[in-house]
Amino acid sequence: DQQVKQNSPSLSVQEGRISILNCDYTNSMFDYFLWYKKYPAEGPTFLISISSIKDKNEDGRFTVFLNKSAKHLSLHIVPSQPGDSAVYFCAARFFQGAQKLVFGQGTRLTINP
Amino acid sequence: DSGVTQTPKHLITATGQRVTLRCSPRSGDLSVYWYQQSLDQGLQFLIQYYNGEERAKGNILERFSAQQFPDLHSELNLSSLELGDSALYFCASSASPDTPGYEQYFGPGTRLTVT
Repeated sequence: DQQVKQNSPSLSVQEGRISILNCDYTNSMFDYFLWYKKYPAEGPTFLISISSIKDKNEDGRFTVFLNKSAKHLSLHIVPSQPGDSAVYFCAARFFQGAQKLVFGQGTRLTINP
Repeated sequence: DSGVTQTPKHLITATGQRVTLRCSPRSGDLSVYWYQQSLDQGLQFLIQYYNGEERAKGNILERFSAQQFPDLHSELNLSSLELGDSALYFCASSASPDTPGYEQYFGPGTRLTVT
């Protein structure tokens, strides 16, 4: 049962345009959502997060939107830069004896010059 | 560099064998997490230790076990290996056991190939 889904395995965007990565979830008990970025041969790096009580969080070029009624979140990157090319993972947190993270499958973002 | 180190970087072994993956957390971090990433899959949480004690379990097989030592490094033991165990294994660390998630710092991973 995949509780967190990223339905697009890959996305290609032109440099300077907006990149939109999407994530859907099924568990209403998630209280925090996070995006991680991963370069080849490196571990995931935290990018941005949002609490379930908010609908938007912004950090520089990165904005995460949360639509609780649709159980959907998205990451917007604007303007996109070549260094943004990486795999992006969506993750959701819930409490079951301890805090746990559930990750999506990842979306490979390629920024074309 | 996250400060989390994992050894070895690559491991190739045969089915039925046993391997040990090692993780050293960031200096000062007491909590260690292990994740498995199979091909085209997201990271699957396996197990968490805090200050030497098991804190939480995820989808960890009975053939797998882990421990955290007094110096806080952790080892993940995988036994009776099967082809399906081929994956990237990540270790992460954090200062406290109940961080929101963004304070988990990931190592570069160990790529295990079972032939």
